[in-house]
Amino acid sequence: DARVTQTPRHKVTEMGQEVTMRCQPILGHNTVFWYRQTMMQGLELLAYFRNRAPLDDSGMPKDRFSAEMPDATLATLKIQPSEPRDSAVYFCASGPSGPSNQPQHFGDGTRLSIL
Amino acid sequence: GENVEQHPSTLSVQEGDSAVIKCTYSDSASNYFPWYKQELGKGPQLIIDIRSNVGEKKDQRIAVTLNKTAKHFSLHITETQPEDSAVYFCAARWSDYKLSFGAGTTVTVRA
Repeated sequence: DARVTQTPRHKVTEMGQEVTMRCQPILGHNTVFWYRQTMMQGLELLAYFRNRAPLDDSGMPKDRFSAEMPDATLATLKIQPSEPRDSAVYFCASGPSGPSNQPQHFGDGTRLSIL
Repeated sequence: GENVEQHPSTLSVQEGDSAVIKCTYSDSASNYFPWYKQELGKGPQLIIDIRSNVGEKKDQRIAVTLNKTAKHFSLHITETQPEDSAVYFCAARWSDYKLSFGAGTTVTVRA
């Protein structure tokens, strides 16, 4: 059963530290999404890629967040410097090529706590 | 952007009964409506989806209906079982690949 793989599953660090979250999309999927989930805001889209090119990162705080796809099997989301308000669960999702009305499949997330 | 509202926020049903969750959306251009189930400590799992050229879709005990005119869609779970207990999210695709999600419904199936 193909799955999106995210690492680490949990991360606790102090404010000001750099945080890097990684995602391996489902093999063959060419769209990759980063979401953040909090109790207050629910699921929010931060950024997404198609064929490794960033299409939209308007949901991301630009001054501290950055998202990249070094290759087709790896997507990264970095926060530098991290702040307590960044504490949330970060999900990666991937989708197949084709029209935009295709399903997105989620990983199990990185639970991030910034102290 | 797209605004998706989901009701109810919590739902408790007796095992074997049906559960219905309703969502409304604001952008008439939205054309794809997935439903996700999220269990504790896991990511959202796609359980069923519907495109705007279809009014209803069924997969075993799960069905989704779409009313484009009224801009609302619903999830129906029949013969509920304890393993159906989870948080359910509706979503609507409104621009390019963007999905807007509802706030979620916590479903509890009582044995």
